[in-house]
Amino acid sequence: TQLLEQSPQFLSIQEGENLTVYCNSSSVFSSLQWYRQEPGEGPVLLVTVVTGGEVKKLKRLTFQFGDARKDSSLHITAAQPGDTGLYLCAGRSSNTGKLIFGQGTTLQVKP
Amino acid sequence: DTGVSQDPRHKITKRGQNVTFRCDPISEHNRLYWYRQTLGQGPEFLTYFQNEAQLEKSRLLSDRFSAERPKGSFSTLEIQRTEQGDSAMYLCASSPTGGGLAEAFFGQGTRLTVV
Repeated sequence: TQLLEQSPQFLSIQEGENLTVYCNSSSVFSSLQWYRQEPGEGPVLLVTVVTGGEVKKLKRLTFQFGDARKDSSLHITAAQPGDTGLYLCAGRSSNTGKLIFGQGTTLQVKP
Repeated sequence: DTGVSQDPRHKITKRGQNVTFRCDPISEHNRLYWYRQTLGQGPEFLTYFQNEAQLEKSRLLSDRFSAERPKGSFSTLEIQRTEQGDSAMYLCASSPTGGGLAEAFFGQGTRLTVV
């Protein structure tokens, strides 16, 4: 069974601080997707990483896919209250195409 | 195309009743997924379709749950004899078939409350 472990599960920081969220697995994924979700809404896709070692930037967010395509990280620079939400990583199985989610990281950024 | 659409957004039902949810995927997407999510947790995989074929069903899914995608377009998820533990957000997502860049997009979910 493929599993994705996300850490930390909860993060409460002050505006302006930096943070990193990790997504780890013992399995290889064909791609990994990061989503952000607000209460009562569906997850919204932020980015997809496909190539081992790939780095993608989205404004203050930097996403990295591990060389072996088993892990990923999301780094936020100078966090703002608008970044508050549930961050989810999801890996696509190389064999079945199924999308598997981590447990999520709840981020709270205080003004 | 306005994206993945789910109906209803909210459903309150009495324990023991049956409920059915509908998902309309992005039109050119042939993969469709159903997930269940409780507060503050990641979505839990329930089942997924490629066109009209149900490719996988979670072992966590009891026989009270059934999903269909009869024409390879919209899908329905039915829960029979609902229990309070079924209360959750039910999410639908769709994606194209293909390699790693087959990105999945979600609907806004159906919030089920069983009283």
